[in-house]
Amino acid sequence: QLVLTQSPSASASLGASVKLTCTLSSGHSSYAIAWHQQQPEKGPRYLMKVNSDDSHHKGDGIPDRFSGSSSGTERYLTISSLQSEDEADYYCQTWGTVQVFGGGTKLTVL
Amino acid sequence: EVQLLESGGGLVQPGGSLRLSCAASGFIFSSYGMNWVRQAPGKGLEWVSGISVGGGDTYYADSVKGRFTISRDNSKNTLYLQMNTLRAGDTAVYYCAKVPTTGPMSYFDYWGQGTLVTVSS
Repeated sequence: QLVLTQSPSASASLGASVKLTCTLSSGHSSYAIAWHQQQPEKGPRYLMKVNSDDSHHKGDGIPDRFSGSSSGTERYLTISSLQSEDEADYYCQTWGTVQVFGGGTKLTVL
Repeated sequence: EVQLLESGGGLVQPGGSLRLSCAASGFIFSSYGMNWVRQAPGKGLEWVSGISVGGGDTYYADSVKGRFTISRDNSKNTLYLQMNTLRAGDTAVYYCAKVPTTGPMSYFDYWGQGTLVTVSS
């Protein structure tokens, strides 16, 4: 069964970097995922697609501070030079015969 | 600029019906698959349904199968979600989302701002 697992929360200081992880279920290491950001009281926003070969494709207007990478069944979102507006929920998403979301990671910028 | 504007949400009694619409602009609507995703209050994102470019292929989450129907009118650049036999558990903000492929199973590259559906007596 295709499942995505995320840590419920993460925190990092203003100006620092943070790496969020999304783990695919066993046997699905070839799957791409997408990262979406949801700021408080707003709809989700597409950040990037991360492929199993470590390549990624960013959405329109997404700053260079956001990058993606991959290793095995793990897909990462790294945010550098953290800003206050990066405080948000981050969801990973993948797809097969259905669409699947991870439970989301709430990022707090200290 | 891609824009997706949902409408049709509101308060409905359990067992009632509601039809959501999503008006699309800024891209060739008839060339891309579309989806509905919902978010219950304080919860995460849940995929609801998807539809291919011509409407011939539709997909549903088990939680809504048999109660919800997705459709599209490419002449009006509009996506729909007909929701019947609504339950309290269907209370959520409903988002429409575009994918960059003709089928609906891909990553969501654009989202709407959402419309709130509240099922309560």
